[in-house]
Amino acid sequence: AQSVTQLGSHVSVSEGALVLLRCNYSSSVPPYLFWYVQYPNQGLQLLLKYTTGATLVKGINGFEAEFKKSETSFHLTKPSAHMSDAAEYFCAVSGSSTGRRALTFGSGTRLQVQP
Amino acid sequence: GAGVSQTPSNKVTEKGKYVELRCDPISGHTALYWYRQSLGQGPEFLIYFQGTGAADDSGLPNDRFFAVRPEGSVSTLKIQRTERGDSAVYLCASSLAGDREDGYTFGSGTRLTVV
Repeated sequence: AQSVTQLGSHVSVSEGALVLLRCNYSSSVPPYLFWYVQYPNQGLQLLLKYTTGATLVKGINGFEAEFKKSETSFHLTKPSAHMSDAAEYFCAVSGSSTGRRALTFGSGTRLQVQP
Repeated sequence: GAGVSQTPSNKVTEKGKYVELRCDPISGHTALYWYRQSLGQGPEFLIYFQGTGAADDSGLPNDRFFAVRPEGSVSTLKIQRTERGDSAVYLCASSLAGDREDGYTFGSGTRLTVV
């Protein structure tokens, strides 16, 4: 079985400040990890993903995430928050011993950006 | 099409009624997924199609839920004898080949309200 835990259902930062959204996972096989963003009344949009290779992955809109196997983490960061970053962010993991294709999502973190 | 299209965007139905939700994936995408997102939660897997066949339907909550994809393109999620607990946003996603490392493209969802 696999699971995803996102610490902090709400995170508030000031515009220009560092964004850090936490994600920890459990998986019985090497995981593939994803971050998605969801704007109000829209579907989820892929921000970035880790499959194999370099553990620091860069995504769209200046976001990046680092896969740390020893910590079973895949935290999302952005050096400087912008007002347009306000949204809900979901971490997801793919992978199981049965080769299941489905993603398992965390419960999400709502990011607020204060002016 | 350019993106994943879901219709209707909103559906209100009475308890006990039957509903159909439609998903039109990106042209050429062989993999199609249905997820359900309840308020304040991450998406929860329902069913995965590879071509015309349901490769994994382990997420369907009970036998009131059924989905088809007869020609390997458009899919319909069918819910019989709807219950108030079925109220949620139903998300459809597609990917090119259904490989574990593929990211999905999500539609904007159908918000189902059972009254």
